[in-house]
Amino acid sequence: KAGVTQTPRYLIKTRGQQVTLSCSPISGHRSVSWYQQTPGQGLQFLFEYFSETQRNKGNFPGRFSGRQFSNSRSEMNVSTLELGDSALYLCASRLAGVAEQFFGPGTRLTVL
Amino acid sequence: AQRVTQPEKLLSVFKGAPVELKCNYSYSGSPELFWYVQYSRQRLQLLLRHISRESIKGFTADLNKGETSFHLKKPFAQEEDSAMYYCALSNNAGNMLTFGGGTRLMVKP
Repeated sequence: KAGVTQTPRYLIKTRGQQVTLSCSPISGHRSVSWYQQTPGQGLQFLFEYFSETQRNKGNFPGRFSGRQFSNSRSEMNVSTLELGDSALYLCASRLAGVAEQFFGPGTRLTVL
Repeated sequence: AQRVTQPEKLLSVFKGAPVELKCNYSYSGSPELFWYVQYSRQRLQLLLRHISRESIKGFTADLNKGETSFHLKKPFAQEEDSAMYYCALSNNAGNMLTFGGGTRLMVKP
């Protein structure tokens, strides 16, 4: 089975812009979660989608949003980018009813 | 609230020495714990989960509910074990992982 894929792998944006990141889960996985990884804060949970519904959300401002499509692919959007949004954004997918998550390679976002 | 603590940011050992990476957690429900590993330039991948009680690449981890710990152990470290190790705790719904800060393991020749 192909693993979790994320596009693009690298992004450079400037403050105030918005960005959309994409994640394709492992075939058959209907749950997709997003995490932010930074040197200072480590790995932090952003949100989780299952069958196109957001079921859980971490402690991030409303500038961070996401959605999931009927094919389970997910997108994450960050509006009005700030310097502090520079991070590696990881997507993970899992089977329903199983806690084990499989991670993608991440999208490295740099905000200038 | 759930919390995971990995007290050591860096652990350096010689090849063949025993390794123990510490993990403590705080959770009011029934914990489900994992160890994830990230090798250089590779994605985060699952190493162990406590419910399976298996040994992967010589690593084992035992859940101690009394001490709220889930330490990762290996009797003889290998150079290829050098990586970043993260302890993670799942919520009851299974849809959120809380990670510790990670421990970088360096195995010297």
